[in-house]
Order: sequence, then structure tokens, then C-alpha cells
Amino acid sequence: DQQVKQNSPSLSVQEGRISILNCDYTNSMFDYFLWYKKYPAEGPTFLISISSIKDKNEDGRFTVFLNKSAKHLSLHIVPSQPGDSAVYFCAASGGTGANSKLTFGKGITLSVRP
Amino acid sequence: KAGVTQTPRYLIKTRGQQVTLSCSPISGHRSVSWYQQTPGQGLQFLFEYFSETQRNKGNFPGRFSGRQFSNSRSEMNVSTLELGDSALYLCASSTTGVSTDTQYFGPGTRLTVL
Repeated sequence: DQQVKQNSPSLSVQEGRISILNCDYTNSMFDYFLWYKKYPAEGPTFLISISSIKDKNEDGRFTVFLNKSAKHLSLHIVPSQPGDSAVYFCAASGGTGANSKLTFGKGITLSVRP
Repeated sequence: KAGVTQTPRYLIKTRGQQVTLSCSPISGHRSVSWYQQTPGQGLQFLFEYFSETQRNKGNFPGRFSGRQFSNSRSEMNVSTLELGDSALYLCASSTTGVSTDTQYFGPGTRLTVL
């Protein structure tokens, strides 16, 4: 079963507008959430993270929101730029042992149109 | 500080052969995790090594194995290759490997099995 879900495989946004990427999770043990960005032929690059004790974390144009009751998080990119076009992975971890590893969603391909 | 490096970047093998991939973590990082990325399954956790010991393991067959050396460098081995093993293999390093420790990825090794 997929514990981290990114239900939309792709998103297209106009340059300068807001991009909202969504992610849902099912495992209540997850307490740390991350977003990674990946360009073709490169490894994922860490973007931003949030601990379960917070509901929002901001870093420049990137903001991650966490709704624990709904087991949902989202990444907002404002304003979107063409260089943001990439695959975005949501990941979660928590607990000890096997749960401390990162569990990834399948990714969302973001295209920012000039 | 140098990032995570992986060698080789590309490999072509035939079914039944075996392969060894190498990963050098960021200096000072003692945890190394390996992931397999395929178009259909996204990033899936293979195993994690810390201080030369396998600490966590994902749901992969025993053909997939790894080790870590005293300098934290890690190798991953796949024996009796199958067509389905064709994938991008990523390694990630972190300081301690606990769930709130950000993992930094290398560029990956693209393995093609013919």
C-alpha cells in the first residue's frame, strides 16, 4: 500500500502565478515531511521540510503547509518561475527502525510556462 | 563541502550478471541509504547503513545487498540481474540517519539490464 500519495501526476502553471502541489499520507507515525525537487539526470535536491509540531514552514518562495488531522501537506511556490519546472517528490519519515527511512510519493511533474 | 558522489553514472549489463555500485557520502555523514527509482514505482527504499552496519532494509529480494566501509563509503551489489532491475539507483547520506535528519542525494547510477 502506498503510504505517501501524490495523486496528480502533473501540473502546469503560468510564470508568476502560484503553484500548489499536494501530498497525502496514511501512516500516523510520520512526523517529519520533506519536499525534494528533481531535474532529469540528477538526484533529488532537498527543498524544504516541516516537523509535525508545526503547521507551516517558509523558505523564500517556498512554503509548506501541514494539516495533521487531514494527513495532508502542500507545497506552495510563489511566484512560479520557469526554472521551477521539475519533478517534485513529497517524502515522509517518523518513528524508529524501518519507519525512520524516507517514504516517497511518486512525484508531480511541474511545468511553468513563460 | 563536496556533495554525494556515485560511480559509475551509467551501466549496461545483461541478465544473469551481477553489478556493484559505489557511493561516497558527504564528509562527516555516517548514514548512507540506497533507493531504486523506476517510472512506475517512484523512489523505493532499499537499505540504510550506519557505522558499517545495515540498520534498515526495504522490501527487496536478497539479490540486493550492500555494505559500508569504515570511511562511510558504501557499495550496493545486485546479483543475477533481471530485466526489471533496470532503474536509477540513488544513494543519500545524512549525519546520523534519524528521521528528522535531512538526506542529501547523489546524481544516481542508471542501470540498464538487457
